Amino acid sequence: AQSVTQLGSHVSVSEGALVLLRCNYSSSVPPYLFWYVQYPNQGLQLLLKYTSAATLVKGINGFEAEFKKSETSFHLTKPSAHMSDAAEYFCAVVISSGSARQLTFGSGTQLTVLP
Amino acid sequence: GAGVSQSPSNKVTEKGKDVELRCDPISGHTALYWYRQSLGQGLEFLIYFQGNSAPDKSGLPSDRFSAERTGGSVSTLTIQRTQQEDSAVYLCASSLLGGITDTQYFGPGTRLTVL
Repeated sequence: AQSVTQLGSHVSVSEGALVLLRCNYSSSVPPYLFWYVQYPNQGLQLLLKYTSAATLVKGINGFEAEFKKSETSFHLTKPSAHMSDAAEYFCAVVISSGSARQLTFGSGTQLTVLP
Repeated sequence: GAGVSQSPSNKVTEKGKDVELRCDPISGHTALYWYRQSLGQGLEFLIYFQGNSAPDKSGLPSDRFSAERTGGSVSTLTIQRTQQEDSAVYLCASSLLGGITDTQYFGPGTRLTVL
């Protein structure tokens, strides 16, 4: 069965600093990977997704992620944090075979941006 | 509106009562998903609809949970004889065609509290 693990339930960075949120996947078949963001009292919003077209994926709000098969990772980065980036971030996976369509989510990482 | 809408936004009920949660997907989206978000379990898949059919009900936690979708649009999630462990935020999402890499667009959720 496929799964994702997010290392670090809470991450704090200073405004202007690099943001790095970690996600590792476990899947016996090629995965499709997603990063979603959730602002307080809101639903989830897609940041970016990996669908095998390119290993480096650029998303909204200056975020990007790189799929590394050798490391089974899909870490999310942003060069310079902004106060508005404070939110909870979820990594998710969908397996690429069968009829399943549901997202399997990691446990989430709460990002705090310090002034 | 252009997004996924859910009603009610908040629901407080007594243990043992039945509740109905409603989801209006984005117009034209053929696939609809229900997820549950709770402190203890994180984000969990419940059920997936393609049109009015539910090819994947694997996430429904018990036979107290059921869902239907009519007219390929609105969906209702029903929880019978609610229990305190049902307290969570219930999220609905929709996607255009239900493809594996389709973006799922999430609603703001219904917060259910069972007293």
